[in-house]
Amino acid sequence: GDSVTQMEGPVTLSEEAFLTINCTYTATGYPSLFWYVQYPGEGLQLLLKATKADDKGSNKGFEATYRKETTSFHLEKGSVQVSDSAVYFCATDSGAGSYQLTFGKGTKLSVIP
Amino acid sequence: DAGVTQSPTHLIKTRGQQVTLRCSPKSGHDTVSWYQQALGQGPQFIFQYYEEEERQRGNFPDRFSGHQFPNYSSELNVNALLLGDSALYLCASSPWGVGREQYFGPGTRLTVT
Repeated sequence: GDSVTQMEGPVTLSEEAFLTINCTYTATGYPSLFWYVQYPGEGLQLLLKATKADDKGSNKGFEATYRKETTSFHLEKGSVQVSDSAVYFCATDSGAGSYQLTFGKGTKLSVIP
Repeated sequence: DAGVTQSPTHLIKTRGQQVTLRCSPKSGHDTVSWYQQALGQGPQFIFQYYEEEERQRGNFPDRFSGHQFPNYSSELNVNALLLGDSALYLCASSPWGVGREQYFGPGTRLTVT
């Protein structure tokens, strides 16, 4: 079945450091790929998405590029802030006429001043 | 414009009992999906409703059932509760169609004792 594998956390960075959270996926068809963020005590918020190979999703300084050849969708940010502390989830919708999202286990990011 | 709303926020039940969780979708959305998020894990897809019918189902037992009303709101019912059903239950809404962005509610925290 479809699956998403994220780098294990937690990740602790100093403010203004560079962030990379790795994500790889397996899916049938041509999936869309997503990054969701979950702040403490809240539900999930869509951070960015890409719907086809080589697309780059971006939002709030975060970026991720859909790499079909490596089945990857790594999340990056050039300079993290304390307010970026949250849990980040990579997800795929499979693309094979499926409507369900398959999530990774999440990566907890803590940014210290 | 109200986003996805869920009720109640928190719920404590005893093993063997039944529970009903409620969700109102974002304005303009006609499709509702339910996810279970165990502590420290990514959300897992339970099922999706559109036009008052269950359209897709994840790997959950029949104890989990749902309903969608003509106003697009939805209920998740869980019978014969087990300790392992303790989780955050997330509702997501979207317009109908593959690859449409899903908006998540804040969730209902269910604790089974």
